[in-house]
Amino acid sequence: LAKTTQPISMDSYEGQEVNITCSHNNIATNDYITWYQQFPSQGPRFIIQGYKTKVTNEVASLFIPADRKSSTLSLPRVSLSDTAVYYCLARNTGFQKLVFGTGTRLLVSP
Amino acid sequence: DVKVTQSSRYLVKRTGEKVFLECVQDMDHENMFWYRQDPGLGLRLIYFSYDVKMKEKGDIPEGYSVSREKKERFSLILESASTNQTSMYLCASSFALAGGRGSGANVLTFGAGSRLTVL
Repeated sequence: LAKTTQPISMDSYEGQEVNITCSHNNIATNDYITWYQQFPSQGPRFIIQGYKTKVTNEVASLFIPADRKSSTLSLPRVSLSDTAVYYCLARNTGFQKLVFGTGTRLLVSP
Repeated sequence: DVKVTQSSRYLVKRTGEKVFLECVQDMDHENMFWYRQDPGLGLRLIYFSYDVKMKEKGDIPEGYSVSREKKERFSLILESASTNQTSMYLCASSFALAGGRGSGANVLTFGAGSRLTVL
């Protein structure tokens, strides 16, 4: 079963833009890509979803190329409170199961 | 706001005990999920259910069973707990996968988690 692939960790400083890319080579044709944020001792929280091109909300932007084999979560001007684990979620073609990646641990330093 | 409530935040059980983890959601979601989270392994799907009395195996169903007798409640059962089942367990729910683009089905709402320790 193909899984989503993300970098294990990333480091950044306050005020910088952070881009986290997720690879999902076998994504279902009609499926949306969603991203989640998780703080310690809490369940993941939905951040943003998209199908193609670019989506932006008050928290983040999501870029999805035409082939939809990857997606990039963009966090503008991160702060210390953005330190968390970020997961992408997609559904593989022909499966009902939703497969999470192993997550990217983002550490934002002063 | 959608709420997913897990019955126990922390549990300590002994090897061989039967363990029930309960999850209740209040937004009439069709889909419910049980995930397990371990350091370095991310979120792994144990079981999911897309309707009452329906269940599907996830990636790691061995040693677990589930029950969904009512739409709002999804229970995870460890018939005979073992030490390798010590973990954080997360319940989630979502709307059903639509006939077309499933924009709602991938928006999962999670509970706060149940941390189980098996001694």
